[in-house]
Amino acid sequence: DAGITQSPRHKVTETGTPVTLRCHQTENHRYMYWYRQDPGHGLRLIHYSYGVKDTDKGEVSDGYSVSRSKTEDFLLTLESATSSQTSVYFCAIRGEPGLSTDTQYFGPGTRLTVL
Amino acid sequence: DAKTTQPPSMDCAEGRAANLPCNHSTISGNEYVYWYRQIHSQGPQYIIHGLKNNETNEMASLIITEDRKSSTLILPHATLRDTAVYYCTHNAGNMLTFGGGTRLMVKP
Repeated sequence: DAGITQSPRHKVTETGTPVTLRCHQTENHRYMYWYRQDPGHGLRLIHYSYGVKDTDKGEVSDGYSVSRSKTEDFLLTLESATSSQTSVYFCAIRGEPGLSTDTQYFGPGTRLTVL
Repeated sequence: DAKTTQPPSMDCAEGRAANLPCNHSTISGNEYVYWYRQIHSQGPQYIIHGLKNNETNEMASLIITEDRKSSTLILPHATLRDTAVYYCTHNAGNMLTFGGGTRLMVKP
C-alpha cells in the first residue's frame, strides 16, 4: 500500500467549531488531494495541491481551506463546521503527471460527524 | 470534467470471470483510463490503468477499445472478496472525477 495516513480516523464535533484533518505521505509526491464522499454523490474533489504552498480548488471547495507547508503533509480545515459537512473525507497522493506512474492512491479516510 | 458511464450493478458467480464495462467518450488522447474499487467504506483501491494498449497485472486485465471511448475491466476468477463498487475514471486536467461506479456482487 502507498504510504499515506489520515488523522483522526473518526471525529465528532459541534456546529460552528473549527476542525482540521491531516493527511501525511511518505512517498514524496508533489500532488495531494482532498475528496469527500457522501451517499448519492460519489467522490467529489474539495482541494488539491501540486507542491508546497501551491493549492487549487476543486468542485466543492466552499467552506474548506487547505494548507501545505511541507511536502509530506496536507491539511484540510473546516473553519466553522456545519452539518452539511458531515461526510467521509479521503486524501489521495499522485505520482508525477504524464508518466506511466501517474496514479492516485487513497488514504483510509476520516469519518467526520458534525452535530 | 471527465464523464464516465457504468452499469449500476452486476452479479458474478464465484470462480467465473467478471467483465465490467465503462464508457468514457470524453477522454482525450493523452489521458489514462483508471480503475479503482471500494470495499465498504474503505479508501478506493487502485486496480489498474492504461493508455491505449491492453494491460494486465496481478489483480486484473484492462481492455481498451481502439477508439479509446470504452474499456472493460476483467477479473479473471472472481472471489467473494471481490465484492465491491468498481469505478472507472480518467484525468481531466489535474482531477479524477468519479461517477457512481458499478456495484459488483460475487455470489457463491
